[in-house]
Amino acid sequence: NAGVTQTPKFQVLKTGQSMTLQCAQDMNHNSMYWYRQDPGMGLRLIYYSASEGTTDKGEVPNGYNVSRLNKREFSLRLESAAPSQTSVYFCASTEGTIGTEAFFGQGTRLTVV
Amino acid sequence: TQLLEQSPQFLSIQEGENLTVYCNSSSVFSSLQWYRQEPGEGPVLLVTVVTGGEVKKLKRLTFQFGDARKDSSLHITAAQPGDTGLYLCAGDTSLQETSGSRLTFGEGTQLTVNP
Repeated sequence: NAGVTQTPKFQVLKTGQSMTLQCAQDMNHNSMYWYRQDPGMGLRLIYYSASEGTTDKGEVPNGYNVSRLNKREFSLRLESAAPSQTSVYFCASTEGTIGTEAFFGQGTRLTVV
Repeated sequence: TQLLEQSPQFLSIQEGENLTVYCNSSSVFSSLQWYRQEPGEGPVLLVTVVTGGEVKKLKRLTFQFGDARKDSSLHITAAQPGDTGLYLCAGDTSLQETSGSRLTFGEGTQLTVNP
């Protein structure tokens, strides 16, 4: 069972470059999320998609855009990367009802130099 | 500032000791979850509590949801080296079943259990 798959696993960008992080889930989940994890900060919600066709800002959306391409896929785009966006990024999905389990991908370690 | 505050942020104890981790907020949550994360991996769910005052046990782990659904605690009895990891609480601020869940995480508690 693949669960939640994120690509790439590692990426180094130069300041000002753009890139898209890809996420796909095969559990027919309605809701998908993007988080970033920095030391001592836990997981902070960037954007989420409660259902196919909708997206909403989380706690730290500035500098990011998202696309819910279809029910399976939810991508995160950095238009002009900054060193402050150096972090580990996690994609997650849930059935979308209150209290259901979140399943996470393996994470993408992004370094912006 | 984080919506959910966890304490302590770091905890290093000896095998066999007991410990409690706290998760506090001024917001009411429709549910609260505890996750555990290993290095290089995503978090994995331990438990979900939904009802105020609810207590759930998972072997040596006891989870409690506050009566007002604003806080929670995780108690580990007789900790073992295998319990080492990052423990994260997560609150769902969704108000309606149909609005989709919105999970907000605390900063995490890094637990180290020494043999």
